[in-house]
Formats: sequence, C-alpha cells, structure tokens
Amino acid sequence: AQSVAQPEDQVNVAEGNPLTVKCTYSVSGNPYLFWYVQYPNRGLQFLLKYITGDNLVKGSYGFEAEFNKSQTSFHLKKPSALVSDSALYFCAVRKTEGRRALTFGSGTRLQVQP
Amino acid sequence: GAGVSQSPSNKVTEKGKDVELRCDPISGHTALYWYRQRLGQGLEFLIYFQGNSAPDKSGLPSDRFSAERTGESVSTLTIQRTQQEDSAVYLCASSRAGSDSYNEQFFGPGTRLTVL
Repeated sequence: AQSVAQPEDQVNVAEGNPLTVKCTYSVSGNPYLFWYVQYPNRGLQFLLKYITGDNLVKGSYGFEAEFNKSQTSFHLKKPSALVSDSALYFCAVRKTEGRRALTFGSGTRLQVQP
Repeated sequence: GAGVSQSPSNKVTEKGKDVELRCDPISGHTALYWYRQRLGQGLEFLIYFQGNSAPDKSGLPSDRFSAERTGESVSTLTIQRTQQEDSAVYLCASSRAGSDSYNEQFFGPGTRLTVL
C-alpha cells in the first residue's frame, strides 16, 4: 500500500520569509510525487512533480520541492512567501508501475501573515 | 483552453435518494478519475477510467456507488440510496495517458454533495 504523511495541519510564516511544507511518503518501488494547491472555492491546481532525474524540482509561482529518497521526503519550499500563497497544499504519490490513482496526504494549510 | 467541468456545483438531497454527478474532462484526455474529499480531509480515490473502461474501481466504498464513461468524454458518478456519510465534495480529474503515464491530473471544481 502507498501512503503520504503531511505532519503539519497548519504552517504559519511571515511574508518575505522562506517557507517549507513537509511531506513524507511510503510506496513500494520508485515514486512519482506531486504537489497540488487548493485555494478557497477553487479546484486543485497542479504545482510541480518529480518523475526522475534532478532531485530539485521547480514549479509554478516560484515553488520548488526536493526529492530525498533516503528520507522518503518531498518537502515543498519557497524562498520568499507571499500573502497570496495562503492556501491548502496537498502532497500526492503514485507508483511508477501499476495503479495510476494518486494517494493524497491530508493537506497542510499555509497561512502567510503580512 | 477549457478545463475540467463538473455539474452540479452543489447538490442537496434527502437520505435515500439517488444522485448523479457529471464530469466533462479536458478534450483529448483519455484518463479520468473520481475522488472524494470529506470536510477537512485529503482526497480519497474512487475510480479510474482509461477511455470508457474502468481498470481500477478499487476505491468505490460500496455497491451503492457506480460510474460510467461515454467514450473518452463525459463521465457520470451515481450514488444510490444516499447516506449522510456520503456528504463530501466529489472531484473529477483528467489527464493525458499512454506511455508517459506520469502526466499530472487536472481537477475540476468539484460537486459539493450534502445529504440531509
């Protein structure tokens, strides 16, 4: 079985400061990893994905994530947070072979204070 | 271009009634997924379509839930004899499929189902 853990229900950060939203995963074999963002009253939007290759993945809106195989982590980062980044963030995983459905974490609410 | 659309956006029904939820995927996307998001929780996978066949139905919670897809377009999720625990946001997603099956899924805005 595959699973995703987002250990923080909420992350608070001041505007302009760096932010990290944590994600660890469990999957047999190699993973495909994704981050999605959900703004209020809007659908999930794709941010970035790790497929293979460079462990540092860059995505939309200045976000990036680092794949760490030994720690089975895929933390989301941004060097300088904006108030408009405040939203609900979901990490997701699937195996490279077999089942295509994504397994999502429970979500982390990011609150950026002005 | 047009994204994934879902209808209705909100549905309130009485316990025991049947409901149908509709999803229009992005044109050309052969893969279609249904997920459920309960309040304050992550997404739960329900069913996956490749074309009009469903190779993975493992997430359907009971035989009250069923889904079908017409060709590579519209999909309908049907919940029979709704229960209060079915209240959730039902999300549909589509993606290109094929050999590059790691394509990201594009999500619709969801249908918020409330069972009274």
